[in-house]
Amino acid sequence: EAQVTQNPRYLITVTGKKLTVTCSQNMNHEYMSWYRQDPGLGLRQIYYSMNVEVTDKGDVPEGYKVSRKEKRNFPLILESPSPNQTSLYFCASSLPGQLYNEQFFGPGTRLTVL
Amino acid sequence: AQSVSQHNHHVILSEAASLELGCNYSYGGTVNLFWYVQYPGQHLQLLLKYFSGDPLVKGIKGFEAEFIKSKFSFNLRKPSVQWSDTAEYFCAATPSNTGKLIFGQGTTLQVKP
Repeated sequence: EAQVTQNPRYLITVTGKKLTVTCSQNMNHEYMSWYRQDPGLGLRQIYYSMNVEVTDKGDVPEGYKVSRKEKRNFPLILESPSPNQTSLYFCASSLPGQLYNEQFFGPGTRLTVL
Repeated sequence: AQSVSQHNHHVILSEAASLELGCNYSYGGTVNLFWYVQYPGQHLQLLLKYFSGDPLVKGIKGFEAEFIKSKFSFNLRKPSVQWSDTAEYFCAATPSNTGKLIFGQGTTLQVKP
């Protein structure tokens, strides 16, 4: 089944404890992206990647890191999480020419930073 | 700055009522437009998209949207809503030559049976 998977789905952590949220897709998509969803703000793009080893900042990259060492995986790293990073996170992927193709979203990761 | 605005944050309708959700974007160049839907407990999924051509776009589940370039708008419509349309709806835009996808704030639609 074609899908985008994220792990973990739920995570409660404490301020300053490094964490990684994994994202993997099995559709051979070049483009991958991370978003955070907050009430009243919709989804905001954190980082995106056009292809392996190519990443760019979205609108809210502060406090996050990403890497794209292989096509299928695009982990989101929080080196020192803070309470304002408590949010619902979505990973997405799409075919080349992402401007024109729909993005397929993962199920979301609900992160709480205490 | 590039942005997408959705006018209605929370809409409540009765079944069979008509729906129109507003969406405006602020970008003067070529832009590609999308409506995504998020049903309770489910992934975001694409309803419809506009890239070029006929400004009236038809999507899944009887939804349609009209691109009006002069108004920078891409409003979503459905002639007769059903209880199963209860969901959150997001308008989004991709300015050309960028990898960014900019979402609006979202509109929560509640359809009463």
